[in-house]
Amino acid sequence: GQQVMQIPQYQHVQEGEDFTTYCNSSTTLSNIQWYKQRPGGHPVFLIQLVKSGEVKKQKRLTFQFGEAKKNSSLHITATQTTDVGTYFCAGMNSGGYQKVTFGTGTKLQVIP
Amino acid sequence: GAVVSQHPSWVICKSGTSVKIECRSLDFQATTMFWYRQFPKQSLMLMATSNEGSKATYEQGVEKDKFLINHASLTLSTLTVTSAHPEDSSFYICSARPQALLTGLNSPLHFGNGTRLTVT
Repeated sequence: GQQVMQIPQYQHVQEGEDFTTYCNSSTTLSNIQWYKQRPGGHPVFLIQLVKSGEVKKQKRLTFQFGEAKKNSSLHITATQTTDVGTYFCAGMNSGGYQKVTFGTGTKLQVIP
Repeated sequence: GAVVSQHPSWVICKSGTSVKIECRSLDFQATTMFWYRQFPKQSLMLMATSNEGSKATYEQGVEKDKFLINHASLTLSTLTVTSAHPEDSSFYICSARPQALLTGLNSPLHFGNGTRLTVT
């Protein structure tokens, strides 16, 4: 079945440093979504990418969707303590069954 | 908008008993809802897709007789963990997507707050 892997699994950064998490799917995706989950909380939707090669920005966050629609990345510039949490990519398969498969997640810890 | 309410937020039950978890879409209709399970420090694993008015679609390895899903209306899906055992202790999260006709097939998932189940 479809597998979605993320690296790294954990990342500790000093506040102000940049952070990137990479997402790779074993199959071509229809679209990819990114979610953030704070400790003890539920996933919160951040953004969706649909087009091949698409790049979207939200303030300090930059999201990219690969040309082959099998990989994606999230880059945070100048991290802040509020960025702490686990970031999940979630890929929707390109078939008729609209199933969303979550990536393994990257847990970000920001050291003040 | 697009609020999903999940109840209860936590429950402790004895081994062998059954627990029902409710998932409601408060301000939109959802023909499809999804039930996920999350173990500590792990990702969300899709258990089943709940379809209004029809049988749920279960993922491979998920026992349909143990995890009963009912989607009786466009705003309510329930997950019942039957004859719960300690290994069923986990964080269960439901999610829903507004109807395709209104927002498109690619609309994002909206999550409930989750239910922490502890089986003693």
